Amino acid sequence: GQNIDQPTEMTATEGAIVQINCTYQTSGFNGLFWYQQHAGEAPTFLSYNVLDGLEEKGRFSSFLSRSKGYSYLLLKELQMKDSASYLCATMDSNYQLIWGAGTKLIIKP
Amino acid sequence: GAVVSQHPSWVICKSGTSVKIECRSLDFQATTMFWYRQFPKQSLMLMATSNEGSKATYEQGVEKDKFLINHASLTLSTLTVTSAHPEDSSFYICSASRGREWDTQYFGPGTRLTVL
Repeated sequence: GQNIDQPTEMTATEGAIVQINCTYQTSGFNGLFWYQQHAGEAPTFLSYNVLDGLEEKGRFSSFLSRSKGYSYLLLKELQMKDSASYLCATMDSNYQLIWGAGTKLIIKP
Repeated sequence: GAVVSQHPSWVICKSGTSVKIECRSLDFQATTMFWYRQFPKQSLMLMATSNEGSKATYEQGVEKDKFLINHASLTLSTLTVTSAHPEDSSFYICSASRGREWDTQYFGPGTRLTVL
């Protein structure tokens, strides 16, 4: 079957670094996406990985290991506005996005 | 670039009425548009995928006669919830991609529907 796992909730301190993990099992693989979703709002695109390795984009980085079915989103220099849900989604062989349930990130001062 | 708008942002309607939600790509041509619904504290659920000029492809369990989707142009798709009932109350979100289904999706701000 198809399955995406990510932690339900994480807490971190302002200014710190946090890593949100995502493991997946899908029928085929055409890339992995990370989206940020603030409460009551639609998701916004953060990153896309299709090859192994680390992609850095400002304070956010995303890592992919296809052999392990594993990805993480790394957030540095955390700010209060980073409090949101972070959704991991993979694209399967039919080019359909399979969504994780999201990780609620709580930032404390 | 890649801005997607939705209208209305929220709507309250009586049971039995129909509601139309518009999704527009403002600064790019959206070959493919997607409609999702999201219940509180749950992930996105894909309802249907539509390509400009062709009929929408609905996901299993989604009633095509109840959720009418029209993708008439490269910048506009509409979702009409017909004969809405309280259980249809949800957060409806559209997304659009420049190319086909495998391209990055950009999301609209969502429409919160409440059916009384």
